[in-house]
Amino acid sequence: DGGITQSPKYLFRKEGQNVTLSCEQNLNHDAMYWYRQDPGQGLRLIYYSQIVNDFQKGDIAEGYSVSREKKESFPLTVTSAQKNPTAFYLCASSMTGRNYGYTFGSGTRLTVV
Amino acid sequence: AQSVTQLDSHVSVSEGTPVLLRCNYSSSYSPSLFWYVQHPNKGLQLLLKYTSAATLVKGINGFEAEFKKSETSFHLTKPSAHMSDAAEYFCVVSELRQAGTALIFGKGTTLSVSS
Repeated sequence: DGGITQSPKYLFRKEGQNVTLSCEQNLNHDAMYWYRQDPGQGLRLIYYSQIVNDFQKGDIAEGYSVSREKKESFPLTVTSAQKNPTAFYLCASSMTGRNYGYTFGSGTRLTVV
Repeated sequence: AQSVTQLDSHVSVSEGTPVLLRCNYSSSYSPSLFWYVQHPNKGLQLLLKYTSAATLVKGINGFEAEFKKSETSFHLTKPSAHMSDAAEYFCVVSELRQAGTALIFGKGTTLSVSS
């Protein structure tokens, strides 16, 4: 079955360390997205990519970085510059165009200890 | 910029009674609107979408939403709540960006269903 796989499900990081969250899709979608979810805030867009080797900053990109070397993969690195990294991170993919909904992964919960 | 406002952060209903989750949108062009549901510690599932076809949109699990341009609203309804409907619901608008589109989420409404 096609879908999006995020790993790991839970991740613990020490302050000052970078950490990379994995996102892989086998839906043949061109576009991929990273969102951050905090209680009472909804989902906020971190980065998005419409095609391979191209990506754009979203609304809260500071302290994060991404790459898009393959159509199937869109890893997110949370750097030590991110002031408040503890959150639930969701990856999504879609066909390009504004009428398409997204398919979401099951998320990664990152905790800084 | 496009935006959505979910008017209630928390809604409580009894099983078997109607559900109404309210959403207003702001858009400078004809919007594409969505409702998503999230069960605890899970990803999001698309309930339904409006893309300028019929104004009454039917979704999964008995949910539907009506697009009202004059009221800039896109409220989600269900005639009879079930215990399994307890979850967080997000109203979402699609926004054109510099490169492509992105979905902009409301802050969510938590639906509680009591027996």
